[in-house]
Amino acid sequence: DTGVSQNPRHKITKRGQNVTFRCDPISEHNRLYWYRQTLGQGPEFLTYFQNEAQLEKSRLLSDRFSAERPKGSFSTLEIQRTEQGDSAMYLCASSYSGVWEETQYFGPGTRLLVL
Amino acid sequence: AQKVTQAQTEISVVEKEDVTLDCVYETRDTTYYLFWYKQPPSGELVFLIRRNSFDEQNEISGRYSWNFQKSTSSFNFTITASQVVDSAVYFCALSELTGANSKLTFGKGITLSVRP
Repeated sequence: DTGVSQNPRHKITKRGQNVTFRCDPISEHNRLYWYRQTLGQGPEFLTYFQNEAQLEKSRLLSDRFSAERPKGSFSTLEIQRTEQGDSAMYLCASSYSGVWEETQYFGPGTRLLVL
Repeated sequence: AQKVTQAQTEISVVEKEDVTLDCVYETRDTTYYLFWYKQPPSGELVFLIRRNSFDEQNEISGRYSWNFQKSTSSFNFTITASQVVDSAVYFCALSELTGANSKLTFGKGITLSVRP
């Protein structure tokens, strides 16, 4: 098992551009979460999928953000018309939702800088 | 609403000292999970422990130990005989069991520096 992977690891973009990040979860994990982490803060929940269904979105997720998980495998997070305030680390986590046990395992993150 | 407070922001110790990282949480749920994660400079969050709200037994894993006290809503983490490799940011997190979403609510993290 190779763990959760995320690509790219770093992204620098100009304000107004669109960016897309990819997350590949641990195989057989049915849940996938996206979080955002800004400097000096803990990660904050953005959205999550159970298989291919997006079941909850945080109020942090503005209309410029969209996430997909086609076929319940990898997921993409797209930010349209990026703003400087979008600069952050975007973390993906996956888990298997058992009866009493659920532990989220995180990927290395994608660090976004919007100039 | 859930909340996790890590009042300590930065701790600096000399190698081989013991250090305790504090975590206080708030939740209305009677069943929940508590977690500790480690974030080294590389950025990846590394899972350390999960504790169920109905299991108040303390846990020890090598140099790491955790003290869960429901009466004070605390879940503290102690590193015994700290090492330089323990230098990282440590996050305490909470998730509720009700509903389908087990999203994590994190504290702000504690930056631990272990000096040789």
